[in-house]
This record gives sequence, structure tokens and C-alpha cells, in this order.
Amino acid sequence: EDKVVQSPLSLVVHEGDTVTLNCSYEVTNFRSLLWYKQEKKAPTFLFMLTSSGIEKKSGRLSSILDKKELSSILNITATQTGDSAIYLCAALFGNEKLTFGTGTRLTIIP
Amino acid sequence: DSGVTQTPKHLITATGQRVTLRCSPRSGDLSVYWYQQSLDQGLQFLIQYYNGEERAKGNILERFSAQQFPDLHSELNLSSLELGDSALYFCASSVSPLAGGAEGTQYFGPGTRLLVL
Repeated sequence: EDKVVQSPLSLVVHEGDTVTLNCSYEVTNFRSLLWYKQEKKAPTFLFMLTSSGIEKKSGRLSSILDKKELSSILNITATQTGDSAIYLCAALFGNEKLTFGTGTRLTIIP
Repeated sequence: DSGVTQTPKHLITATGQRVTLRCSPRSGDLSVYWYQQSLDQGLQFLIQYYNGEERAKGNILERFSAQQFPDLHSELNLSSLELGDSALYFCASSVSPLAGGAEGTQYFGPGTRLLVL
């Protein structure tokens, strides 16, 4: 059964800290891995990773995929209160379905 | 604002009833996806349409059905509603039949919150 697992479930850090969120997957015919940020309502897209070992960056956020380990990490440096959200990881597999993990709830304390 | 619109924002109804949720994709996007998000289940993919045709099916109940119209808007019909159907229903759109198009992006609408009493 296709499965995406995220850890930790919840994380509380102080502003300025660096955090690492983890995602592992067991997916048949894996194609790519996506990260989303969900604040109050709708998820917003962050990154899509297809090739192993290539880091994608956007400002203080970066992500890398390890196809050998079937995992990905999302790093956020110099965290700000606006980074508080649920971060969702999703795996895209052969028949174009996205399977989502349950998310990591990140809380940044000022 | 993602460019995807959903109506209504909130819906309260009784068990056994039927409701229709509506989604308008971003201009130019041909693919529409429906998701259900409940507290205990996380975000679950329901169904995808591409240019009017069903493309992929996820964990969609038989009581639920969807369609995409020639103008590319989509409707999700939920019938014989049960308490457990209470959830946030998201619609997302992308350009291509693939889940993310060239850049791997699905754009999510603001969601419809359904409460079944």
C-alpha cells in the first residue's frame, strides 16, 4: 500500500532556529515528491523534487530528495513566526495520484 | 490568491441529504482535483478530471460523484450524507494531466467546509 510518513508530527521552536522536517515514502512507481505549506486553509505549493540529490531552494527554505533512502527533508533556516504552519509532504506515483502524509505542525515562538 | 475558486465557503446540512460543491479552476488549467481533509484522516485525494474526462480515482466513496463541464468548472456531488462526511473539501487545478504540470504545481482553492448534523 502506498504510504507517506512525516516526522515529527509537531515541532515548537524559537524564532531564529533552524528546523528539519522529514518525509519518507513507500510508493509504487514513484515519480516525484512535493512539499506544501498549509496555514489557515488551502495548501500552497513549495517544491517538487524528481531527481535524487538535487537541492531545491527558495529563500530560507530548501529541500532535497534521497531516492535510495526513499526520503526527503525540508529545511527552514532563521525561522520566523510566519513560518508557523502545517507542512505537508506528498508523493506522486505512476497513475498520477498524490498521496499525502499527515503533516508536521510547526510552531515558531517569538 | 491561487486563482481557484470554490463555492460555497461553508455548508451545514443534515444526514441523508445531498449537496453539490463547485470549483472553478485557474484560467487555462485543464486538470481539476478534489481532496477531502478531515481531522483524523489528513488530506485524501478523491478524484481527478482532465479536460472533461475522469483521469484518476482515489479514495472516493460510491455516494460521491464528480464531473467536469465543457467550461472546465467541476462539481463534486455528495449524497446520503453521514456525520463522518464532515470535512474540508478542496479543489485544486493544474495545467496538465500530470499531478503537477511542468513545475509540479497544483493550485488549491480555499476549500468548502461541510458540516453534517
